[in-house]
Amino acid sequence: KQEVTQIPAALSVPEGENLVLNCSFTDSAIYNLQWFRQDPGKGLTSLLLIQSSQREQTSGRLNASLDKSSGRSTLYIAASQPGDSATYLCAVKTAGNTPLVFGKGTRLSVIA
Amino acid sequence: SAVISQKPSRDICQRGTSLTIQCQVDSQVTMMFWYRQQPGQSLTLIATANQGSEATYESGFVIDKFPISRPNLTFSTLTVSNMSPEDSSIYLCSANSVGQGFYGYTFGSGTRLTVV
Repeated sequence: KQEVTQIPAALSVPEGENLVLNCSFTDSAIYNLQWFRQDPGKGLTSLLLIQSSQREQTSGRLNASLDKSSGRSTLYIAASQPGDSATYLCAVKTAGNTPLVFGKGTRLSVIA
Repeated sequence: SAVISQKPSRDICQRGTSLTIQCQVDSQVTMMFWYRQQPGQSLTLIATANQGSEATYESGFVIDKFPISRPNLTFSTLTVSNMSPEDSSIYLCSANSVGQGFYGYTFGSGTRLTVV
């Protein structure tokens, strides 16, 4: 059974700092991996999607990497801003139309 | 990618009553998924909604408590029945979205349910 772990559970950084969020999964036979952002009491916004054949994806200040063989992904946020404060969720899809398996998330606070 | 409209966005309900949550997708999707997110927790899959067949429920969730409808390829509902305070959560629907090279999942904006 696929399990997804995110470290750290919470992170507080000053504005402008670069930071890395970590995600690990137990079964390396994944179809893709997706990073989401969730603001308090809200739904999920997709940030980046990495297919199993890809090593990384970039969108603006965000960069996500994937090392499928070791079961790890990282989300790098450059020059953090207070507006980046949210919970970041990592989720993997194992095959076809199977549902996503989520980690518990990293709650990020960026202090101005 | 697909856009999912979910409603209501929030509700406060009396215990013992039922609430039906609706999700409308702007394109046809094969499967839709319903998740629950309890306070401070991550997402837990409730069931997979297939068009034209019964929903498939995860361990710990039953049809009598969470009946699901999927009348066509763009719409689904989840009902939370005979509610208790333990049902207070955010409920989210999701669909696999294919288009313009994107093969990920999109989510509705969530329904924040409080049972009193």
